[in-house]
This record gives sequence, structure tokens and C-alpha cells, in this order.
Amino acid sequence: EADIYQTPRYLVIGTGKKITLECSQTMGHDKMYWYQQDPGMELHLIHYSYGVNSTEKGDLSSESTVSRIRTEHFPLTLESARPSHTSQYLCASSECVVNTEAFFGQGTRLTVV
Amino acid sequence: GEDVEQSLFLSVREGDSSVINCTYTDSSSTYLYWYKQEPGAGLQLLTYIFSNMDMKQDQRLTVLLNKKDKHLSLRIADTQTGDSAIYFCAEIHNQAGTALIFGKGTTLSVSS
Repeated sequence: EADIYQTPRYLVIGTGKKITLECSQTMGHDKMYWYQQDPGMELHLIHYSYGVNSTEKGDLSSESTVSRIRTEHFPLTLESARPSHTSQYLCASSECVVNTEAFFGQGTRLTVV
Repeated sequence: GEDVEQSLFLSVREGDSSVINCTYTDSSSTYLYWYKQEPGAGLQLLTYIFSNMDMKQDQRLTVLLNKKDKHLSLRIADTQTGDSAIYFCAEIHNQAGTALIFGKGTTLSVSS
């Protein structure tokens, strides 16, 4: 079983609020990722990290920001949530080798009202 | 840009074979993956294939790769109701820190 955890699982919040989605893994993986999954299922890479103090933007432009101060922790922050941010957010991690499996958390379903 | 295409829906009867197709665009992808997502859950790796292989078999799963056409397929033999899920094809995006780039997913519905 994958040791990667996301909290909260579900979040309903008002427009303009600041939110942080937590993601933690206990596998010692260097690489971590955030994907945004549309209601229509498509996954888009929004952020990734090679390791501590490394953060990069993914293919899909996102108003969220991430930080990687510790290997095991890769939180995602929205400074001012909007209804357009309503989506499922999936965190993943992998070892720093090309052909290794990426392990996914169970996701955070965010609804901004 | 990079794009991974899949058909969106597939419906089969229990016991039949399911074939889910995918086309990818990055010819430099070294590995291609199939992930499964059950309702309310994250993604789980089913299998992967290295780009110099044509076929890989793993119990009920068979992956076929046509590198010339950039076409990948997943065949599930003796499909069961528990196989009902969303199946994602993914390729390594070499310009994105070797992150996985996913297709839109194929919803497999298995009826008894």
C-alpha cells in the first residue's frame, strides 16, 4: 500500500479564502507532483518538485503555489480561492528514476462556492 | 504540445475481453503506463511497458505497443465487474521533470 496521504479529502470553502492542501509521503521519494483532475476525468500536471527547495510549474497554468521545505511534504496553496478552482487535486510521488512507479494519494476534492 | 488521446467510454459484458486504446505524441517517451482509478480513489499503476518492447503480458493484462504509430493498447482478458473503473494511459514527459502526462481516461463499464 502506498504511503502517501492527502488532507483534507473533501473541502467546501467560500470564495476569497486562503487554503492549503496537504500532501505527505513516507517513502523518502525525491520527486513529488500535483495533478488537477477535471470533472471530466482528465489529469493535468500543475506542479512538480525534484527535491527539497525545488519547485516547477507543470503543463497547466495554475494560480496555486507549492513549497518543498521537507522531502516528505509538498503542500499546495491557493491564496484566494475562486469557483474556477473547484476540482479534484491529486498528489503523487516517485523515486528519482525514470521507470519507477508514481504513487498517488487519494485526492482532495475542492469545491469553492 | 504533448497530448495523450484515449476513447472515453467502453462497455463490455462480464467474461468478454476489453481493449482500451491510446495514442501518444512524445516519440522520446521511454516508458508508457496504464493506471486504474476506482471511484473516489487515487490512481493505481496497473502495468508499464518499455519503449523497445512490442508486447507485455501480466496475468489477465496484455499491453501492445506500436511505436511507429505511437499507439498503445491494454487488453483485459475475462473482464470482471471489479474491473469497472477509469483507465488512464500515461507517458513520461521528458521536459517536465519526467512527470507522467495522462490521457483523459477511458471509463470501462462491465455488465453482468
